[in-house]
Amino acid sequence: QVHLQESGPGLVKPSETLSLTCTVSGGPLNSNYWAWVRQSPGGGLEWIGYIYYRGDTSYNPPLKSRVTISLDPAKKQFSLSLRSVTTADTAVYYCARRSPWSAFALDVWGQGTTVTVSS
Amino acid sequence: IQLTQSPSSVSASVGDRVTITCRASQAIGNWLAWYQQKPGKAPRLLIHSASTLQSGVPSRFSGNGSETDFSLIISGLQPEDFATYYCHQTNSFPFGGGTKVEIK
Repeated sequence: QVHLQESGPGLVKPSETLSLTCTVSGGPLNSNYWAWVRQSPGGGLEWIGYIYYRGDTSYNPPLKSRVTISLDPAKKQFSLSLRSVTTADTAVYYCARRSPWSAFALDVWGQGTTVTVSS
Repeated sequence: IQLTQSPSSVSASVGDRVTITCRASQAIGNWLAWYQQKPGKAPRLLIHSASTLQSGVPSRFSGNGSETDFSLIISGLQPEDFATYYCHQTNSFPFGGGTKVEIK
């Protein structure tokens, strides 16, 4: 059974870069897309973007200029980098698998990690 | 493309039939999924392709619709179903705004 686990700092200063990693266990990276989604306090879900196992990426347009998602197949990890953060980027960040076998729905999720942007 | 869910919240009792709708601003075929989220937990995939039940999800959950109008139906609400539900266009980015199912 595939399991995802987010890791990274829980506190980031304004204007700095938020960096998170998701470790995949129990299944392959191949043939899947790997995604980041966030949820602001009391808010709804917001796509950040995703990366295909071959390295192709797609980002949500409002965040595109600040986001990079990368993949490390050897470590079975994928990562999120969000630059120039503000307090509006305070959220729970989830990594998830976007599977072609479920019509590209997000069928496996990490537990989420809370990131607070504050000085 | 925007996804508009209604209602934003609904109060219901155990055993009730609950219907949540999701309207897309443009036709999206059947590229629609539904998720359930409980407080402090990650979302859980219930349905993909508008009507395909994800493995392990109880059969009281069902979905229908295509193009612009979709519904999630819970037939016989159970205590563990009180949660927030989101629709999602799976071949693009948008999520719906969510529907909170509360205890009446």
